[in-house]
Amino acid sequence: EIVLTQSPATLSLSPGERATLSCRASQSGSNYLAWYQQKPGQAPRLLIYDASTRATGIPARFSGSGSGTDFTLTISSLEPEDFALYYCQLRSKRLTFTFGPGTKVEIK
Amino acid sequence: EVQLVQSETEVTKPGATVKISCTVSGYTFTDYYLHWVQQSPGKGLEWMGLVDPEDGETTYAEKFQGRVAIAADTSTDTAYLELRSLRSEDTAVYYCATSTVSTDAFDIWGQGSLVTVSS
Repeated sequence: EIVLTQSPATLSLSPGERATLSCRASQSGSNYLAWYQQKPGQAPRLLIYDASTRATGIPARFSGSGSGTDFTLTISSLEPEDFALYYCQLRSKRLTFTFGPGTKVEIK
Repeated sequence: EVQLVQSETEVTKPGATVKISCTVSGYTFTDYYLHWVQQSPGKGLEWMGLVDPEDGETTYAEKFQGRVAIAADTSTDTAYLELRSLRSEDTAVYYCATSTVSTDAFDIWGQGSLVTVSS
């Protein structure tokens, strides 16, 4: 079973700064990695799929990169509404899915 | 508009079975897998399993195998999650979600159904 590790657990930044979030897989599953944003009391929102494709309506400041076992979500310039939890998710070859434990982006 | 509407809050006892529904609208139900995701209080997201509404085929996460059943009713465009032998650790919000942009990412989510297991 694939295990996803996200780092850091918490990222303390100011609005306008760049955020770099990492997601590492214990084994190569597929390049079908997705990133989600979740705010308190809300369902997750898809940001990025297939490692680097922005979902509909997602601002260009969000970008995804990586392949194999190492993936990155970058927020080029943090807006106040970007302070939230972020999860990565990967599909295995067996059509099972795994989420990472999450990275909290908080206001410094 | 694509929507997933879930059944409301459930309060139930240890050892019981709970069944949550997820009714879809705005797209052809049989076109996409329907997934269920668990989120325990203050915790992360855990994928539980999926159903292919076209043929009813299911895939479950190892953690929930044997205790969970996911089904799809194409006559009502509704998917169901049944979780048996409930314990306090099953207290969580359960989300249904579907993938209309990619087989591998969940772009549409239900509002969540809170299940509380308490004696």
